[in-house]
Amino acid sequence: AQSVTQPDIHITVSEGASLELRCNYSYGATPYLFWYVQSPGQGLQLLLKYFSGDTLVQGIKGFEAEFKRSQSSFNLRKPSVHWSDAAEYFCAVGELDSSYKLIFGSGTRLLVRP
Amino acid sequence: SAVISQKPSRDICQRGTSLTIQCQVDSQVTMMFWYRQQPGQSLTLIATANQGSEATYESGFVIDKFPISRPNLTFSTLTVSNMSPEDSSIYLCSARFSGANVLTFGAGSRLTVL
Repeated sequence: AQSVTQPDIHITVSEGASLELRCNYSYGATPYLFWYVQSPGQGLQLLLKYFSGDTLVQGIKGFEAEFKRSQSSFNLRKPSVHWSDAAEYFCAVGELDSSYKLIFGSGTRLLVRP
Repeated sequence: SAVISQKPSRDICQRGTSLTIQCQVDSQVTMMFWYRQQPGQSLTLIATANQGSEATYESGFVIDKFPISRPNLTFSTLTVSNMSPEDSSIYLCSARFSGANVLTFGAGSRLTVL
């Protein structure tokens, strides 16, 4: 069965420090992978996606993620965190067939120290 | 960019009552979905809202509890029936817009059941 694991419930980083949020997936075929961010009181905003091709994908707000098939991972990175990045981050795996369903990880809450 | 509007944004409800959440999109979509996000949890797909026909429910969700309508391409409703405190959650509408390979989410409707 498909699943997504985000092993870190909370992560705290200092403003200006680098960030890596972990995501591991279980999927029978080539996965379609997504990172969404949810700020307090907001809906989910798509940060980036991976469908195929270059395994390093760039997203909005300076985020990037790398697909590593051998490790079944799709970790999210940012070289320098801003206070406004404090939010909940969700990794998701999806099917792009007729069902178009997404399975979400449990989320990682990012806290940013001044 | 495509916009999804949900209302109400939040509500406090009494046990045993029902509440209908509305979702309106501002352009043509191919698919619409309803997700639930319980407190501190990730998102779980409730159902796919099918235009002009019965919704397709995921395991663990039933039509009697979560009736869904989609009378046209750009509008859907989710009703949470006979509510109990366990139904306190954020309910999110999402859609795949025509020509897009990603899901866009509304800001969510936060329900608190007393």
